[in-house]
Amino acid sequence: KNQVEQSPQSLIILEGKNCTLQCNYTVSPFSNLRWYKQDTGRGPVSLTIMTFSENTKSNGRYTATLDADTKQSSLHITASQLSDSASYICVVSPMYSGGGADGLTFGKGTHLIIQP
Amino acid sequence: GAGVSQSPSNKVTEKGKDVELRCDPISGHTALYWYRQSLGQGLEFLIYFQGNSAPDKSGLPSDRFSAERTGGSVSTLTIQRTQQEDSAVYLCASSPLRGDNQPQHFGDGTRLSIL
Repeated sequence: KNQVEQSPQSLIILEGKNCTLQCNYTVSPFSNLRWYKQDTGRGPVSLTIMTFSENTKSNGRYTATLDADTKQSSLHITASQLSDSASYICVVSPMYSGGGADGLTFGKGTHLIIQP
Repeated sequence: GAGVSQSPSNKVTEKGKDVELRCDPISGHTALYWYRQSLGQGLEFLIYFQGNSAPDKSGLPSDRFSAERTGGSVSTLTIQRTQQEDSAVYLCASSPLRGDNQPQHFGDGTRLSIL
């Protein structure tokens, strides 16, 4: 069964500090890996999408990395701000030959709290 | 509004009642997804619509769940004879097409509570 495991489950850091969130997956072969930010009470918002051939992608203070050999991805947040407090969800899309199946596998997320 | 709109934002109902959840996708988006998010769990795929193709219903947990998409736009998710385990946030997402690298745009969900 395809799985996406995220760590840590939760994290508390001080405003201005950096942090790194981890995502390990077993989906293989895969097409792309996505990171989403979900604020409390809101829907997820896409941060980055990386294909299997990319190993890094940035979106402002967010930088995602991907190691397809070890099936690991990380999301690095630089100079954290209070507004970064949210859940961060890793999503892996499998490679498949066709059909209508969605197949996206979602991690349970890392709950990040930024303290002033 | 340019985003995905879901209604109602909150729904409280008694066990055994039927509920209907609505999703208005972004105009022009041909792909529409429904997910369920339970407390502490990852998003669970329910159903996927792509244009005029037959929907992928492989994620629907039981025959009490059904969904329609009229005119390739608005979608409704119906849960019949609700059970307490149906309590969750139901999220709708749309994307321009089902392409592998297309980001999904999510609504803010309907928080369903079954008493």
